Amino acid sequence: QKEVEQDPGPLSVPEGAIVSLNCTYSNSAFQYFMWYRQYSRKGPELLMYTYSSGNKEDGRFTAQVDKSSKYISLFIRDSQPSDSATYLCAMRSSGGSNYKLTFGKGTLLTVNP
Amino acid sequence: GAVVSQHPSRVICKSGTSVKIECRSLDFQATTMFWYRQFPKQSLMLMATSNEGSKATYEQGVEKDKFLINHASLTLSTLTVTSAHPEDSSFYICSARGSGVPPSGNTIYFGEGSWLTVV
Repeated sequence: QKEVEQDPGPLSVPEGAIVSLNCTYSNSAFQYFMWYRQYSRKGPELLMYTYSSGNKEDGRFTAQVDKSSKYISLFIRDSQPSDSATYLCAMRSSGGSNYKLTFGKGTLLTVNP
Repeated sequence: GAVVSQHPSRVICKSGTSVKIECRSLDFQATTMFWYRQFPKQSLMLMATSNEGSKATYEQGVEKDKFLINHASLTLSTLTVTSAHPEDSSFYICSARGSGVPPSGNTIYFGEGSWLTVV
């Protein structure tokens, strides 16, 4: 079993739809959870950063972490064509100097006008 | 948010030559920098972790003599692909972790990436 599982999609939705992206993981040591957005041929851009369980909202984006289920989600409200990109979940454990991220494979999202 | 700059964004080199890619943290001091490689439609593959002033730690299967990493200052790390071959053609991305308080302290920011084509 891979440490982080993410459905690669592709996922295609109409403009204005609510998008739900998620990842599951197996390592209970993961404490920090991130979502990155990567446009084609560009570096990943940090969208959301969450520590431990709970919800975090930033504009149209909401990140949820359920550590008991080892499940994280990213919701995008009122999706726009400019949201079309690959979304990568990433996570890491805490402590020491280990800041290595473990990534999901990424989900390719297309928002159609 | 914090900015990480990578240069060059695209480079084409001849087989057998070496090419250097720079990664700079522009508005924070990067205690740790990471180098990744990404193949088309694949996720990021960590190559190595570098801390300022010390040798890089390479992931299993990554040739340290081929991919030379130098982290000479708190704002600059370089990746040199030596004796490049066509199979080294890829998208190379760096990321940096800041020191101090969040957001830069605990958060990892990525550069824009560098496309390397070896012909």
